[in-house]
Amino acid sequence: GESVGLHLPTLSVQEGDNSIINCAYSNSASDYFIWYKQESGKGPQFIIDIRSNMDKRQGQRVTVLLNKTVKHLSLQIAATQPGDSAVYFCAEDLYNQGGKLIFGQGTELSVKP
Amino acid sequence: NAGVMQNPRHLVRRRGQEARLRCSPVKGHSHVYWYRQLPEEGLKFMVYLQKENIIDESGMPKERFSAEFPKEGPSILRIQQVVRGDSAAYFCASSPDRKSISEAFFGQGTRLTVV
Repeated sequence: GESVGLHLPTLSVQEGDNSIINCAYSNSASDYFIWYKQESGKGPQFIIDIRSNMDKRQGQRVTVLLNKTVKHLSLQIAATQPGDSAVYFCAEDLYNQGGKLIFGQGTELSVKP
Repeated sequence: NAGVMQNPRHLVRRRGQEARLRCSPVKGHSHVYWYRQLPEEGLKFMVYLQKENIIDESGMPKERFSAEFPKEGPSILRIQQVVRGDSAAYFCASSPDRKSISEAFFGQGTRLTVV
């Protein structure tokens, strides 16, 4: 089975609120994690990444948190906007193999105006 | 400043026909990855190629599927004798080197429908 999975398949938030998307992984050897955003009919778009030697990384309006103790990853989006509506995937680079990523099933984020 | 270009965007094939999916990487990128996405699922790794070499094909079905990345021209994913279960979106990504996966860009995908 997949080593990366998501807790919730859908998430609906109000515009302006913060969003939190969760991801669980099962392999403690995973070294590198990426969050992708995929809009309908498009390819995945890189959002932010984090290595296993870090607990937190911030980007523009996004923060990724990594809890290695419970093998949990989360993506926080501040002040969610309608343009954030998409499916979000976490991906795992198992054994630091570079392009061979293991993707989770995805969470669909819906932003209500 | 073109990104990864995939064509065709949509492809319809009858069962038993061949499907050819093309991927032109970002200029200067010599590493190409193919992924398959079934409806409502995440992407599944298929194959990783470097110019003229297959580096990792552990995600490729053993039969009917093949991939190449010639010295000149795009990378090609070829599916022979397609079946209904091959219907999916096929994405290609490219990166400047193996470790720069964070710099990998995905194309818009080819949506294959087998009727």
